[in-house]
Amino acid sequence: DTGVSQNPRHKITKRGQNVTFRCDPISEHNRLYWYRQTLGQGPEFLTYFQNEAQLEKSRLLSDRFSAERPKGSFSTLEIQRTEQGDSAMYLCASSPSAEGETQYFGPGTRLLVL
Amino acid sequence: SQQGEEDPQALSIQEGENATMNCSYKTSINNLQWYRQNSGRGLVHLILIRSNEREKHSGRLRVTLDTSKKSSSLLITASRAADTASYFCATDLYSSASKIIFGSGTRLSIRP
Repeated sequence: DTGVSQNPRHKITKRGQNVTFRCDPISEHNRLYWYRQTLGQGPEFLTYFQNEAQLEKSRLLSDRFSAERPKGSFSTLEIQRTEQGDSAMYLCASSPSAEGETQYFGPGTRLLVL
Repeated sequence: SQQGEEDPQALSIQEGENATMNCSYKTSINNLQWYRQNSGRGLVHLILIRSNEREKHSGRLRVTLDTSKKSSSLLITASRAADTASYFCATDLYSSASKIIFGSGTRLSIRP
């Protein structure tokens, strides 16, 4: 399967703990995106990378959130000092470098903060 | 704030009937996309329509775009049980084509 993959698929953690999610994009895609989706809502944009450069961050991305894409391939999203409000599905997508191209989504990581 | 909003929020139809979902957006766009999401899963891309296109077809899907009204519609013909899912429209911003913004979706249920 050469689609976008995300790990883990599910994560349960206690409030105050740190969590890290990984996304592996489609190999030839230069752009990588992170979204957050809560129940009954559409995905909300968090941040995106062009190769290893983080080009845009949403105001939703508080100081407790950090994303990296060190070699321009896979990306990690870390949440420090998790809060119950962080419980959501975290989705990763990738696309070719051209503007306006389709974004292909991974299966998501569902986070539950107790 | 949402760029795109789908209407209706929920739709229940009999298998074999056609389903129509609408999306309205606020600002100028470069393109509009429709995605499907089965319960608790990732999003599957259905179709992309560019701002200079008015209609596009893919199998049982037909998408229209009216930039003067800032609206789009998704028609699924001859619906099947497997079409049960949430459907989202997503628009980029003319000023920032890299980011796409999703509406809150239409939940479609197909009754056998």
